[in-house]
Amino acid sequence: GAVVSQHPSRVICKSGTSVKIECRSLDFQATTMFWYRQFPKQSLMLMATSNEGSKATYEQGVEKDKFLINHASLTLSTLTVTSAHPEDSSFYICSASPGLAGYSGRNEQFFGPGTRLTVL
Amino acid sequence: GENVEQHPSTLSVQEGDSAVIKCTYSDSASNYFPWYKQELGKRPQLIIDIRSNVGEKKDQRIAVTLNKTAKHFSLHITETQPEDSAVYFCAAIPLIKAAGNKLTFGGGTRVLVKP
Repeated sequence: GAVVSQHPSRVICKSGTSVKIECRSLDFQATTMFWYRQFPKQSLMLMATSNEGSKATYEQGVEKDKFLINHASLTLSTLTVTSAHPEDSSFYICSASPGLAGYSGRNEQFFGPGTRLTVL
Repeated sequence: GENVEQHPSTLSVQEGDSAVIKCTYSDSASNYFPWYKQELGKRPQLIIDIRSNVGEKKDQRIAVTLNKTAKHFSLHITETQPEDSAVYFCAAIPLIKAAGNKLTFGGGTRVLVKP
């Protein structure tokens, strides 16, 4: 149980295009989903927190108009990288949390497998 | 906000030896401390966690200790095996509400277990 999927796993796109990444909780309802970015040999950097039905909360320094987040349901959140540039190339990971009253009662975050974005 | 420092950044041990990774945190409100293992190109996997009302927790070859007064916690891996080679992240979180609690990660420790 507690499976989070992410799609696509890998994407290569041209500079200037937009890329959408989906994050789904498959067997639980995620009250909150988180989007992280990870550069090679670095830690996970939180980009934004999204709650179902409300606007995402972005971390300082993250452009909300560039990284559009939509948390349309309790099982799906999407991250759209708009007008992607080579510097946006990174490993993007989502996580989903059922909250304290949820799956394990520990407010654990369950991570997706990640999406490797390469912008040419 | 919370700030988590993790040391060392790299750790090389001989198979069978122990590995210790240390983390410090700044926010006294943090009360949940998970540890994640991440293999190259894969998702972080929770390997053990500890709450602030417990000083130590053990699961087979893995143990975590917490010193709330000093605001530091450590991961101990005994009898290391080559499959323990990975990057390990500590994290801290204040569970002050039902949802939306942000994890703050340490910088990671790259562990290499040499056969």
